[in-house]
Amino acid sequence: GAVVSQHPSWVICKSGTSVKIECRSLDFQATTMFWYRQFPKQSLMLMATSNEGSKATYEQGVEKDKFLINHASLTLSTLTVTSAHPEDSSFYICSAREEGGTYNEQFFGPGTRLTVL
Amino acid sequence: TQLLEQSPQFLSIQEGENLTVYCNSSSVFSSLQWYRQEPGEGPVLLVTVVTGGEVKKLKRLTFQFGDARKDSSLHITAAQPGDTGLYLCAGRPRGFQKLVFGTGTRLLVSP
Repeated sequence: GAVVSQHPSWVICKSGTSVKIECRSLDFQATTMFWYRQFPKQSLMLMATSNEGSKATYEQGVEKDKFLINHASLTLSTLTVTSAHPEDSSFYICSAREEGGTYNEQFFGPGTRLTVL
Repeated sequence: TQLLEQSPQFLSIQEGENLTVYCNSSSVFSSLQWYRQEPGEGPVLLVTVVTGGEVKKLKRLTFQFGDARKDSSLHITAAQPGDTGLYLCAGRPRGFQKLVFGTGTRLLVSP
């Protein structure tokens, strides 16, 4: 149980284009999902908290107009990187918190590697 | 300010050796999780500790939560190459809604 999927697993795009990444909780409902960014050999950096049916909460320094988050259902959140540039190249990871779980644990997706040319 | 400091940052050992990774904070946590992440993949939850002084074992891995719930340790006995990866501790300090991640410990176990 507690499986989170991400799609795509990797994507290469041209500078200026937009890229959408999907995050799904496969066997549980998640009113809260999280989006992280990870640079090589570093820990995870929280970008935003995605709440089902409401606006996402962004961390300081994260541009909400550049990283659009939509959490339309209890099992799906999407992150759209708009007008991507090479500096947006990174490993993006989502996680979902199992509501009602014993310890409110978070389960992570496999990540999406974005390369912007 | 980093809420969760891990040490060491990097550890390279031979197969069969033992090791301990530390996760320290000045904040109190209601629970702490340990994750292992392999290159190109998302973190995988290993264990959650919730009670001060608690010890949990997962095969060759032993996790301990400090009595004051401000720190935790991960001990691996007889490390194997398959243990190679990035180990991350994480938790929610009291009053925080968000999961805070440690700085990470990169482990390399050579045959």
